[in-house]
Amino acid sequence: AQSVTQLGSHVSVSEGALVLLRCNYSSSVPPYLFWYVQYPNQGLQLLLKYTTGATLVKGINGFEAEFKKSETSFHLTKPSAHMSDAAEYFCAVSLSGGYQKVTFGIGTKLQVIP
Amino acid sequence: GAVVSQHPSWVICKSGTSVKIECRSLDFQATTMFWYRQFPKQSLMLMATSNEGSKATYEQGVEKDKFLINHASLTLSTLTVTSAHPEDSSFYICSARGGAIIMAGEQFFGPGTRLTVL
Repeated sequence: AQSVTQLGSHVSVSEGALVLLRCNYSSSVPPYLFWYVQYPNQGLQLLLKYTTGATLVKGINGFEAEFKKSETSFHLTKPSAHMSDAAEYFCAVSLSGGYQKVTFGIGTKLQVIP
Repeated sequence: GAVVSQHPSWVICKSGTSVKIECRSLDFQATTMFWYRQFPKQSLMLMATSNEGSKATYEQGVEKDKFLINHASLTLSTLTVTSAHPEDSSFYICSARGGAIIMAGEQFFGPGTRLTVL
């Protein structure tokens, strides 16, 4: 079984400031990890994913995340926030193998202050 | 990239009626499709998993007779909410997963359907 914990249901940052959204996971086997973004009344868009290989994963819109096995974390970062980054962000985990159920965190709403 | 569509994008219906939501994978064959429900300001809750040509697997607590899922082809799955009631009002999102190795682990999400039951 797997689970995801997102610390902070709401995060506010100033435009241009660092974005850090925290995600910790629990998995009995090596996981696949994902970050998705959701804009109001829309579906989810994949930002980035980790399956195997390089632990620092770069995604779209300048986001990146680092898989840290020792800390069971997969935090999402962006060096400089933009107003268009304001959205809901979901961390998700699945068991490795590619055909497993995905479990989502509760989501973190990012507010960007001008 | 892989595209998934949903139809309709929003629907309003009267209590007691049935509503069908379609989920289509437009440019790939979806061996597995998932149906999620999302309440306001909450995460996605998996309702069921469907594989083409077989019966859907429902999550615990989801009424299979109320939420009918059909995955008749590799590009289409439907969710029918039968005898809808106001408490069924929600945002329903489907996702699809292909069988190709390159897609391993990734689900592609539809834009969602907002259901309001009066």
